[in-house]
Amino acid sequence: QKEVEQNSGPLSVPEGAIASLNCTYSDRGSQSFFWYRQYSGKSPELIMFIYSNGDKEDGRFTAQLNKASQYVSLLIRDSQPSDSATYLCAVNTGGFKTIFGAGTRLFVKA
Amino acid sequence: GAVVSQHPSWVICKSGTSVKIECRSLDFQATTMFWYRQFPKQSLMLMATSNEGSKATYEQGVEKDKFLINHASLTLSTLTVTSAHPEDSSFYICSANLGEGLGETQYFGPGTRLLVL
Repeated sequence: QKEVEQNSGPLSVPEGAIASLNCTYSDRGSQSFFWYRQYSGKSPELIMFIYSNGDKEDGRFTAQLNKASQYVSLLIRDSQPSDSATYLCAVNTGGFKTIFGAGTRLFVKA
Repeated sequence: GAVVSQHPSWVICKSGTSVKIECRSLDFQATTMFWYRQFPKQSLMLMATSNEGSKATYEQGVEKDKFLINHASLTLSTLTVTSAHPEDSSFYICSANLGEGLGETQYFGPGTRLLVL
């Protein structure tokens, strides 16, 4: 079983819609959770992190964490074509190493 | 804040030569840096964890004699690909940790694209 699992996609949504990206993790001791965006040919950039159960909002992005279900998600409201990228879920289990999922490719159609 | 730079951004070399890639944390000190490799349309692959003042920790399957890592200061780690071959052509990305505890976050450099002819 992979430590951090994401649907590889592609996930296709129309412009203006809500994109929902999901991630599950295997280590119940995981403490911090991150979402990164990676454009084709570029390195990952941090979108946001969350470590408490519930929702955390930052602009058009909302991260949701449910530790009981070992599930973290990212919602992107009012999706734009510029949001088309691969989204990486990452989990820190308390040490200095962060485990990355393989990523979900998102396409936002104009 | 939290800016990580890499140099060079692009390198083309002949087979058999060695290539050094630098990773710097510009506005913070990083005791731990990481080196990743990414092939086209594939996910990030962690190669090694670079620790300031000590030996790097390599992931299983990564040859430590081929990929030399030196973390000489709190702001600089280098990756040297020795005797590079075409199969080493890839996108090499470094990252550095900032913060402590729950807030410890990894920030990535822009990456170095290596092409070995």
